[in-house]
Amino acid sequence: EPEVTQTPSHQVTQMGQEVILRCVPISNHLYFYWYRQILGQKVEFLVSFYNNEISEKSEIFDDQFSVERPDGSNFTLKIRSTKLEDSAMYFCASRSGRGDYEQYFGPGTRLTVT
Amino acid sequence: RKEVEQDPGPFNVPEGATVAFNCTYSNSASQSFFWYRQDCRKEPKLLMSVYSSGNEDGRFTAQLNRASQYISLLIRDSKLSDSATYLCVVNRMNTGFQKLVFGTGTRLLVSP
Repeated sequence: EPEVTQTPSHQVTQMGQEVILRCVPISNHLYFYWYRQILGQKVEFLVSFYNNEISEKSEIFDDQFSVERPDGSNFTLKIRSTKLEDSAMYFCASRSGRGDYEQYFGPGTRLTVT
Repeated sequence: RKEVEQDPGPFNVPEGATVAFNCTYSNSASQSFFWYRQDCRKEPKLLMSVYSSGNEDGRFTAQLNRASQYISLLIRDSKLSDSATYLCVVNRMNTGFQKLVFGTGTRLLVSP
């Protein structure tokens, strides 16, 4: 069964450093998403991406964040200058976009900012 | 008011019990509805979509009441492996694009 994959599974970085979280969505899916979940809190939407551009972003997704689909398979989330409060699980999700609305999530990257 | 509200639980039930979770949502523009399951420190996994007519998948039954903006999940014959957090999720469309809005989840503990 096709699945969303994410790397790394755990990233530790120092405050102020740049990090890139990587995702490989399900092949042939058209819509891509990033969500985050701070420990003990609910899953929150960050950004959606379709047709090589951002379609919607939340208030959390400020100028420090960017997304890219550099090739036909990868989808990345970059945080330019990490803050302590960026520590969270980051989940990538994808959706086929062909008449359904179900989103499928990757296993997540645990980001720890020290 | 939270956009999606759930009782956080935990619900402690014995194996074999029937348990029901409820959820309310505040945005009437929400268009589709889901239950996801999340195990500790894992990703949300789609359990089932929720339709107005109600739908069933094995031991799981989901119901949607659009007039009351209310969603439910019923689990029959609980198994130990059902222990998890159940997330009520609504799909909100904005400018033609959707995003998922999650509840905080209801924790279920099934004991022998």
